Amino acid sequence: DAKTTQPPSMDCAEGRAANLPCNHSTISGNEYVYWYRQIHSQGPQYIIHGLKNNETNEMASLIITEDRKSSTLILPHATLRDTAVYYCIVRVRSYGQNFVFGPGTRLSVLP
Amino acid sequence: SAVISQKPSRDICQRGTSLTIQCQVDSQVTMMFWYRQQPGQSLTLIATANQGSEATYESGFVIDKFPISRPNLTFSTLTVSNMSPEDSSIYLCSVEEGGTTDTQYFGPGTRLTVL
Repeated sequence: DAKTTQPPSMDCAEGRAANLPCNHSTISGNEYVYWYRQIHSQGPQYIIHGLKNNETNEMASLIITEDRKSSTLILPHATLRDTAVYYCIVRVRSYGQNFVFGPGTRLSVLP
Repeated sequence: SAVISQKPSRDICQRGTSLTIQCQVDSQVTMMFWYRQQPGQSLTLIATANQGSEATYESGFVIDKFPISRPNLTFSTLTVSNMSPEDSSIYLCSVEEGGTTDTQYFGPGTRLTVL
């Protein structure tokens, strides 16, 4: 079973920041937080992952609370092409461990 | 990241027939995974395919229904056997890259419709 809880859907205005929350209150000390997204009819796309420090890459920022029980994925300037289902997954960073996908958050970026 | 292709991209099949889906990677990878995504649902892992050994199946999936081949480090196939309409899904392969990310990258998927 997925170890995360995400809102089923969110809307965001184009050009604004999209903040997607994820609760993972039972996360273990050696589990990382991964984010993927799936644009309609495509394979999931890796976005970012982190352990306890905040992370940033060209796609997004990941903010993890100090107690690691929740995190937020931030898309700084959402575009229409960011409309997708976003999955938050916790997993031990170990080669060969599969990802358990929950239902995710359906983000709609509105013009 | 690895570039992954799948064939066919989509197919419509008759019940009782079988379909083999191919997954090709542009680099050598040890770990390959096959997932199923039923309509309106999230992804579910079918099996893990390692080169040189038998695939490891998840609960609810069996080799007779979903035989997998992994002849080398860049290629794998998944066969959906004796299909029924309940097998209508998107089938996705993914590969694991080690190193600093230990993350998985997914192919574009094969959309299967069984009539």
